[in-house]
Amino acid sequence: DQQVKQNSPSLSVQEGRISILNCDYTNSMFDYFLWYKKYPAEGPTFLISISSIKDKNEDGRFTVFLNKSAKHLSLHIVPSQPGDSAVYFCAASGKTSYDKVIFGPGTSLSVIP
Amino acid sequence: DAGVIQSPRHEVTEMGQEVTLRCKPISGHNSLFWYRQTMMRGLELLIYFNNNVPIDDSGMPEDRFSAKMPNASFSTLKIQPSEPRDSAVYFCASRPSGANVLTFGAGSRLTVL
Repeated sequence: DQQVKQNSPSLSVQEGRISILNCDYTNSMFDYFLWYKKYPAEGPTFLISISSIKDKNEDGRFTVFLNKSAKHLSLHIVPSQPGDSAVYFCAASGKTSYDKVIFGPGTSLSVIP
Repeated sequence: DAGVIQSPRHEVTEMGQEVTLRCKPISGHNSLFWYRQTMMRGLELLIYFNNNVPIDDSGMPEDRFSAKMPNASFSTLKIQPSEPRDSAVYFCASRPSGANVLTFGAGSRLTVL
């Protein structure tokens, strides 16, 4: 029973275009959401996050949107670059910093030059 | 800071052998997480500790798995006896008090023959 779902195992996008990665969650107690990027043979690295009190957070080329009523969030990358090719994990956590962090299965993004 | 340090980076062992994976969290971080990455399930939470105390071990697959955190700077994940289906990359991550963002180590790739 996966609490965090990423239904697209892979995505291919042309360089310069927008990449949209989607994530759905089932537990309404989740309060904080994170995106991580992972290159082969490396550990995941933090990319961007959003609290449930917001519906959008932006950091450079990366924007995360949160729709609480739909229990859905998305990561937009504009413009996409070949170096963005990696596996992207969506994660969710509870209200406190002592809560566990649950990850989705990941989406492999390929940005084609 | 050197980040989260995991050892060994690679381990190849035979079925039935004991495997011990080690993790040194970032100094000052008081939460430590163990995850397992597989193709089917993505990043699966095995167990996490707050202030060296195990909080949730519901993700530990079987009694063959055990984890300890004897002090704030060291944790182990032990598999005894190991089986081929335990082959995966195991990640350790840590987090400071009051924060939601985890910092991951580079992972330990385990192959059980």
